[in-house]
Amino acid sequence: DTGVSQNPRHKITKRGQNVTFRCDPISEHNRLYWYRQTLGQGPEFLTYFQNEAQLEKSRLLSDRFSAERPKGSFSTLEIQRTEQGDSAMYLCASSLGSGRQATYEQYFGPGTRLTVT
Amino acid sequence: AQSVAQPEDQVNVAEGNPLTVKCTYSVSGNPYLFWYVQYPNRGLQFLLKYITGDNLVKGSYGFEAEFNKSQTSFHLKKPSALVSDSALYFCAVSSLTGGGNKLTFGTGTQLKVEL
Repeated sequence: DTGVSQNPRHKITKRGQNVTFRCDPISEHNRLYWYRQTLGQGPEFLTYFQNEAQLEKSRLLSDRFSAERPKGSFSTLEIQRTEQGDSAMYLCASSLGSGRQATYEQYFGPGTRLTVT
Repeated sequence: AQSVAQPEDQVNVAEGNPLTVKCTYSVSGNPYLFWYVQYPNRGLQFLLKYITGDNLVKGSYGFEAEFNKSQTSFHLKKPSALVSDSALYFCAVSSLTGGGNKLTFGTGTQLKVEL
């Protein structure tokens, strides 16, 4: 088990462009989360999936953001028409968060740092 | 709504001395509490958790934390600090009533351990 992986690690884009990030969770984990972290702050929740179902979205997640988790495996987070305020570290985490084997702690990937110029 | 407060932006301690990083929380229902550590240019690493049971929980690298329900606190402790413990520490809370165990983090406490 190699842990949670995220690609790319860094992304620089021009304002108005679309970007897509990928997260590969720990294989047996049924829950997958996306968070955003800006400098000097703790991560803020964006959305989460249980298997392939997206069960909750934060009000931070504007209409320009969309996330998918086809087949309950990897997930993608797309930002359309990027703005400078979208510049942040986007973190993915996974957990075994339900059922008898639930452990609840989330394991985080290294993050994708987005810079919008 | 759930929230976490980490009242100290930075904690300085000499190597070999005990350390405490403070955390208080607010949540509806029973809290699930976590500590994470973040090293520069690296992701968050899970240290320990309180879900239920014994109020003193032990985690990785010699860290422990004490859950105090009446004071709504979950302070991180270590009996003897190491220079390598220097990093950014985050306390986080979730609950079943919050839905999906999404984590709410504090703003972090920078721990600096000096020789």
